[in-house]
Amino acid sequence: QVQLQESGPGLVKPSETLSLTCTVSGGSISNYYWSWIRQPPGKPLEWIGFVYYTGSTRYNPSLQSRVTISLDTSRNHFSLRLTSVTAADTAVYFCASRAYNGFDSPYDYWGQGALVTVSS
Amino acid sequence: EVVLTQSPGTLSLSPGQRATLSCRASQSVGNYLAWYQQRPGQAPSLLIYGASRRVTGIPDRFSGIGSGTDFTLTISRLEPEDFAMYFCQQYNNIPRTFGQGTKVEIK
Repeated sequence: QVQLQESGPGLVKPSETLSLTCTVSGGSISNYYWSWIRQPPGKPLEWIGFVYYTGSTRYNPSLQSRVTISLDTSRNHFSLRLTSVTAADTAVYFCASRAYNGFDSPYDYWGQGALVTVSS
Repeated sequence: EVVLTQSPGTLSLSPGQRATLSCRASQSVGNYLAWYQQRPGQAPSLLIYGASRRVTGIPDRFSGIGSGTDFTLTISRLEPEDFAMYFCQQYNNIPRTFGQGTKVEIK
């Protein structure tokens, strides 16, 4: 059973870069799609993007200019970087994945979520 | 992007009653539609994919139907643990999008 765990700073200053890591256990990252999704407090889920095990990526156009998702196969984890953050980026950030190949969605596995607050 | 509109926003029902949740897409997503349950403070949990396919281990009181732009999630008889938020998600188009959710609350 694949398990995902987000880690990273819970507080980021405006205009700085948000960085989170999702550690994968119970399975190899060298397969499937690996995704990030966020949920602002009291609001719906927003898809950020995914990285395929080959390294190819797709992002939400609304975030594309600021986001990078990457893989580290040696550490069996994948990462999210979001630059130039504002208060609107305050959210619980989830990493997620699909149990089967071929599609990045829907998401069978989710991390517990990491609350990131953007504030000075 | 595909906008998913869920209705109603809140459903107030009693245990044992039937819940009917709707998800409407702004354009056709085929049958690439999933439903999730989310309890407070937890990550979403996948219930239904492919519009009507139940995930292994999900009770058969949960069922999904629909294709194209109109989808429905039905909970035939509400159990206490079913009172939660429900989201639909389409995965036919990039960006993947989610509905705003329906809260099923105890009446």
